[in-house]
Amino acid sequence: EVQLLESGGTWVEPGGSLRLSCAVSGLTFTTYAMSWVRQIPGKGLEWVSVISGSGGSTHYADSVKGRFTISRDNSKNTLYLQMNSLRAEDTAVYYCAKPSGTGWYRFDYWGQGTLVTVSS
Amino acid sequence: QSALTQPASVSGSPGQSITISCTGTSGDVGGYNYVSWYQQHPGKAPKLMIFDVSNRLSGVSNRFSGSKSGNTASLTISGLQAEDEADYYCSSYTGSSTLVVFGGGTKLTVL
Repeated sequence: EVQLLESGGTWVEPGGSLRLSCAVSGLTFTTYAMSWVRQIPGKGLEWVSVISGSGGSTHYADSVKGRFTISRDNSKNTLYLQMNSLRAEDTAVYYCAKPSGTGWYRFDYWGQGTLVTVSS
Repeated sequence: QSALTQPASVSGSPGQSITISCTGTSGDVGGYNYVSWYQQHPGKAPKLMIFDVSNRLSGVSNRFSGSKSGNTASLTISGLQAEDEADYYCSSYTGSSTLVVFGGGTKLTVL
């Protein structure tokens, strides 16, 4: 059974930094690209970033480019999201999600999400 | 990249059919056959239902179907059931640096 388990969400002040983790089990981790998708509570979804299975290719939404860094440790089956220069508008539930098949644009497995609150 | 446009809410009675629209541009919905639909129940993670415009994920009821015309994609749910009450989101590949764009979501109420 494929399982994705996020952690690291908490309250942080504007301008602060935070690192989210996503532990993945039930699949051959290195085979798959992985993504982060966020959701403002009560609002819609926003794609954040994707990283290839090897970690050699990454893409970011314009809204986080230059502030967020996606990475992975294939020896630990874990995905990360380093978030710097956080803003109030980054407040959201952050999901890690596994792209389905060869496309990086559809997601067939999701974690339960971890809440990041950016506020003074 | 702007979010795709969905109606905020739709409703229907059990057994009826409803359609949720998802309007984008030639740079996303209209330019690629890479539209997906997700169902999200309160407090739960999204669940992929339809991918590549009209393909149902294995295990998804055939009451759910997808289509596309121009810059607008649609999700149709036939034979509405109480458990279909949820939020529905569309998404599309964009081919830009922001690879994926989502719709704002539609709340389906089964009367």
